[in-house]
Amino acid sequence: DQQVKQNSPSLSVQEGRISILNCDYTNSMFDYFLWYKKYPAEGPTFLISISSIKDKNEDGRFTVFLNKSAKHLSLHIVPSQPGDSAVYFCAAKGGSTGGGNKLTFGTGTQLKVEL
Amino acid sequence: DGGITQSPKYLFRKEGQNVTLSCEQNLNHDAMYWYRQDPGQGLRLIYYSQIVNDFQKGDIAEGYSVSREKKESFPLTVTSAQKNPTAFYLCASSIVQGGYNQPQHFGDGTRLSIL
Repeated sequence: DQQVKQNSPSLSVQEGRISILNCDYTNSMFDYFLWYKKYPAEGPTFLISISSIKDKNEDGRFTVFLNKSAKHLSLHIVPSQPGDSAVYFCAAKGGSTGGGNKLTFGTGTQLKVEL
Repeated sequence: DGGITQSPKYLFRKEGQNVTLSCEQNLNHDAMYWYRQDPGQGLRLIYYSQIVNDFQKGDIAEGYSVSREKKESFPLTVTSAQKNPTAFYLCASSIVQGGYNQPQHFGDGTRLSIL
């Protein structure tokens, strides 16, 4: 039962353009959402998060949008840079995942930013 | 520098052997987590601990064991009962702060392979 879904395994974008990564979830009890960036053979790095009481959170070039009615969130990167090329994971907390900060992860989207 | 240290980076196991993966953090975080990543999949939670001397099973705990004798350390043992141990193992930690959401921060992982 995949509660967090990233339906696009890969995305290719030109440098300077906008990258939009999408994530859908099925558990309406999730109350906190995060995006992580991961390079090969390294651990994920926390990028940005959003609480379910908000619909937008911005940090520099990164903006996360949350649409609770559609159970959908997206990460916008503007402008995209070659160093942004990595795998991006969406994660969610709350609901059946239990106590503490237990997270449920999506399968990831490989972003490639081309020159 | 504060962070999470996983060792070794690469580990090889013979059939029938138990192996222990190390995870140490100096962030003064209360909670620690172990995840497993397989190709094309997201991170799946093996075990987590919110306080010293206490831990809970995650989604795929079978064939694994953990201990939490010190706040800084959360070793994971992959036992011979784990039939498919080849994977990338990630350790994470986070603050546990009632009512506030906090991201998890990850180490750089250990890649375990079967000889």
